[in-house]
Amino acid sequence: GDSVTQMEGPVTLSEEAFLTINCTYTATGYPSLFWYVQYPGEGLQLLLKATKADDKGSNKGFEATYRKETTSFHLEKGSVQVSDSAVYFCALRGDDKIIFGKGTRLHILP
Amino acid sequence: IAGITQAPTSQILAAGRRMTLRCTQDMRHNAMYWYRQDLGLGLRLIHYSNTAGTTGKGEVPDGYSVSRANTDDFPLTLASAVPSQTSVYFCASRVDRMNTEAFFGQGTRLTVV
Repeated sequence: GDSVTQMEGPVTLSEEAFLTINCTYTATGYPSLFWYVQYPGEGLQLLLKATKADDKGSNKGFEATYRKETTSFHLEKGSVQVSDSAVYFCALRGDDKIIFGKGTRLHILP
Repeated sequence: IAGITQAPTSQILAAGRRMTLRCTQDMRHNAMYWYRQDLGLGLRLIHYSNTAGTTGKGEVPDGYSVSRANTDDFPLTLASAVPSQTSVYFCASRVDRMNTEAFFGQGTRLTVV
């Protein structure tokens, strides 16, 4: 079945560091791919998405490119801020549902 | 403000008791979902509904039931709670099963003792 694998956390970085959170997927066909973010005490909210191969999703300085050849959708940000501390979920749109990875907790130190 | 409302926000429940978690959305979304979030396991789908009057089982449906009598409401019932059902429960919705973005409620923290 369809699945998503993302790097385990927690990831701890200093402010202004470069961020990469790896995500790979297994799916039939070419599903839409997402990154969701969960801030402390809140539900998940969509961060960015890509609906077809080579699409780049971007929002709030975060980017991810849909790579069909490597079945990947890695999340990147050039300069992280303390306010980016959260849990990040990679996900794909499967039949009847959205399938989530296990989440990566990100800590940004001032 | 449009969105998804879950109730209660938190609950401590004795094992063996029956409990219904409420979820209401005012966005007229057809598809709704219940997930549980556990440390190290991420989000796991319990049940879903693609449209009013229909429901389906997700990855971890045992011990839970749902109903979808109308578009707005999607309650989740634990018939006889067990400690392993201690978790944070999230309700979500999207326009339809083909639409890309899901909207989440704030979650219900349930502790079964």
